[in-house]
Amino acid sequence: DIVMTQSPDSLAVSLGERATINCRSSQSLLSRSNNKRFLAWYQQKPGQSPKLLISWASTRESGVPDRFSGSGSGTDFTLTISSLQAEDVAVYFCQQYYYTPTFGQGTRVEIK
Amino acid sequence: EVQLVQSGAEVHKPGESLKISCKGSAYNFTEYWIGWVRQMPGKGLECMGIIYPADSDIRYSPSFEGQVTISADKSINIVYLQWSSLKASDTAIYYCARLGVRGVISHFDSWGQGTLVTVSS
Repeated sequence: DIVMTQSPDSLAVSLGERATINCRSSQSLLSRSNNKRFLAWYQQKPGQSPKLLISWASTRESGVPDRFSGSGSGTDFTLTISSLQAEDVAVYFCQQYYYTPTFGQGTRVEIK
Repeated sequence: EVQLVQSGAEVHKPGESLKISCKGSAYNFTEYWIGWVRQMPGKGLECMGIIYPADSDIRYSPSFEGQVTISADKSINIVYLQWSSLKASDTAIYYCARLGVRGVISHFDSWGQGTLVTVSS
């Protein structure tokens, strides 16, 4: 299994400020054959199913606000919310799909 | 619009068996992997395993191998998750989710509404 580790476990950010979530994998998620990064980010709000935000490390899903961005390569990845809005309060998960999928433990984002 | 509709909430006693379902619609069901994801109360997401309905190729995550059985009936577009003997620690919400790139293991692009399973004596 590839182990995914997120940091921090939780963070509190003021409205309009930047939130940064890190995700580290136990092995590289970069495919040498097609140069793709097998990493996704999800948002889960209380009582809801998870929602895909970003795939291939940096490709935003249709309808996802552009304040959400993903970056990174190899084993280290980042989800950035450039200007936190009230509706962004949620738990965020990274997930690798280089092999059978595994998730990070989640990062809770709150308003300071 | 792709839809995954799961069976309803279940309450069972330890030792009982259970099979829950997930029905896909509005896409070619056999061409996309589907996974089962566990979320224990107040905890994170764990992928239990994935299945390719076209040929029932199954990949279990090591923690769940031998603990559950994943299967599919492609004639009716349904994937199943079953237990032969439930434990209290199986209490969780179980999501099915489609892997979003045809024919390959990828990100989960569509999710079911979740099935709450409660196991209590």
